[in-house]
Amino acid sequence: EAQVTQNPRYLITVTGKKLTVTCSQNMNHEYMSWYRQDPGLGLRQIYYSMNVEVTDKGDVPEGYKVSRKEKRNFPLILESPSPNQTSLYFCASSFYGTSGLNEQFFGPGTRLTVL
Amino acid sequence: SQQGEEDPQALSIQEGENATMNCSYKTSINNLQWYRQNSGRGLVHLILIRSNEREKHSGRLRVTLDTSKKSSSLLITASRAADTASYFCATEPRPYSGAGSYQLTFGKGTKLSVIP
Repeated sequence: EAQVTQNPRYLITVTGKKLTVTCSQNMNHEYMSWYRQDPGLGLRQIYYSMNVEVTDKGDVPEGYKVSRKEKRNFPLILESPSPNQTSLYFCASSFYGTSGLNEQFFGPGTRLTVL
Repeated sequence: SQQGEEDPQALSIQEGENATMNCSYKTSINNLQWYRQNSGRGLVHLILIRSNEREKHSGRLRVTLDTSKKSSSLLITASRAADTASYFCATEPRPYSGAGSYQLTFGKGTKLSVIP
């Protein structure tokens, strides 16, 4: 089954404790992306990756890191989480072409609470 | 960065009625996509319409795009209780180079409630 998986689905942590949210897709997509969703703000892009070893900042990259060592995986790293990073996080993947992005396939989301 | 804005923010209709949601954006785009999200879950892609297209259909969904007005609409015909969800438009801006920007910007969504 074609899918994007995220782990963990729920996480409660404390300020300053490094954490990683994993994202994996099995559709051989080149493009992967992370979003955060907050009430009243919609989805905002954190980072995206066009392919292995190619990453770029989205609209709200501060406090986050990513890596793309393999095509299927795109982990999101919070080196020193703070309470303002409490949010619902989504990973997405897709193909893309010269006319832009194709439909995005979203993971189920990771609900993060930073105390 | 520019963002699509959906209108209305919330919409409540009776089952069987049509639901129309609008999206406005600010700059030239490569494409516009509509997504549905059931409460707290992942987004599901509905339709992608490219800048050179004016209308697309998928089942009970009809999307229009007016690039001169920088707006799009999503029409759901003969709505069902299962259509209750939030609906988002997402735009991919077209930079001056003419290629893709490869960044999607989402609006804040329209919350649709379909009453049985």
